Amino acid sequence: SAVISQKPSRDICQRGTSLTIQCQVDSQVTMMFWYRQQPGQSLTLIATANQGSEATYESGFVIDKFPISRPNLTFSTLTVSNMSPEDSSIYLCSVAGTENYGYTFGSGTRLTVV
Amino acid sequence: GNSVTQMEGPVTLSEEAFLTINCTYTATGYPSLFWYVQYPGEGLQLLLKATKADDKGSNKGFEATYRKETTSFHLEKGSVQVSDSAVYFCALSDWEDSNYQLIWGAGTKLIIKP
Repeated sequence: SAVISQKPSRDICQRGTSLTIQCQVDSQVTMMFWYRQQPGQSLTLIATANQGSEATYESGFVIDKFPISRPNLTFSTLTVSNMSPEDSSIYLCSVAGTENYGYTFGSGTRLTVV
Repeated sequence: GNSVTQMEGPVTLSEEAFLTINCTYTATGYPSLFWYVQYPGEGLQLLLKATKADDKGSNKGFEATYRKETTSFHLEKGSVQVSDSAVYFCALSDWEDSNYQLIWGAGTKLIIKP
């Protein structure tokens, strides 16, 4: 299965600023997902990012707030823009393999907005 | 649509007790089923999975059997340890309708007391 390197692992940011999270995959994958995990909660899908097409955002998430880049089959970034304390969460990227049981997760980015 | 329901936590047990965490699902197709574990301050780890009915996933003493007749995938362990304290997530993926995301349960926090 794929191995994902996610950076940064954690950050403390000032409100109003932006943070870009990177995920590098060690193999080419078509489907990549970005999740948010708020404190004590389950995972919520932000968007699906397939190479060569615009990211597809879930209800409640918009491109202006969470722009996503997917320049090739091994790399993606998620930016959390104009941050507020409510954005304090763990953000995770994930990729899917060729079967519906081959998911891999990055180690997560623990974001605190002050 | 597809959904996952798992028992609410926290679940508090003494060391060496028997563990069951219930998980039931709704799916239109033939999903794969997963249990993920998140230890305090860490990322998500795949604990076990099952890809078809009657399959049993197992890992680290944990087991879960894919029961199509009861649409369940309950997690069990015969004798828990303090080190099993974590949050456990049940999830499914069902690619039948071209929806490639994982569907997550709410998570169950497990606390094991020595």
